[in-house]
Amino acid sequence: GAGVSQSPSNKVTEKGKDVELRCDPISGHTALYWYRQSLGQGLEFLIYFQGNSAPDKSGLPSDRFSAERTGGSVSTLTIQRTQQEDSAVYLCASSLTGVFTDTQYFGPGTRLTVL
Amino acid sequence: KQEVTQIPAALSVPEGENLVLNCSFTDSAIYNLQWFRQDPGKGLTSLLLIQSSQREQTSGRLNASLDKSSGRSTLYIAASQPGDSATYLCAVIIGGNKLVFGAGTILRVKS
Repeated sequence: GAGVSQSPSNKVTEKGKDVELRCDPISGHTALYWYRQSLGQGLEFLIYFQGNSAPDKSGLPSDRFSAERTGGSVSTLTIQRTQQEDSAVYLCASSLTGVFTDTQYFGPGTRLTVL
Repeated sequence: KQEVTQIPAALSVPEGENLVLNCSFTDSAIYNLQWFRQDPGKGLTSLLLIQSSQREQTSGRLNASLDKSSGRSTLYIAASQPGDSATYLCAVIIGGNKLVFGAGTILRVKS
């Protein structure tokens, strides 16, 4: 079946604007993860969903960042009042059950550029 | 705080050579360790996942080992090919199912 998909693939925005990034996990996967990959910080965990709940939000860098998941499927990561330091590639991953033995499968990412 | 280090940062080898990528982590309390490859402009592809109770995993020309007590893992690539050129990332799973990544090794295999 289809893998993890993300949209848009590229997003350019002006400082101060809000952006929404979308992730469609593999069908049937109950666990969903957001990561961020930036030049200075490498790949960092942001948030983990099990179903529609987020038991671990510890990686969200500030209260400008939020995420939700509906219907146990699609997830949206929202960044309010974007700053230049938010520029990065945002990666989404899903796994079958969220148990640590499961492989996480990654989408192609959304490249966000804040001017 | 768990930290993952990968050595070398970059590696260039001629086609056909066997090579080893190294990964170390500071806290041995991991659930598993995963090796990924990342091609430019693309997401991550999982290569091998080693559970904390395992010592190694093999897939084709790839072999990954795990020494949890010493906090080390190696990825061995046999008979390297130009198509193996990519960035290789090591990540450990810690509590909460989050992956903690190393900075990666950029591999270039020359034909």
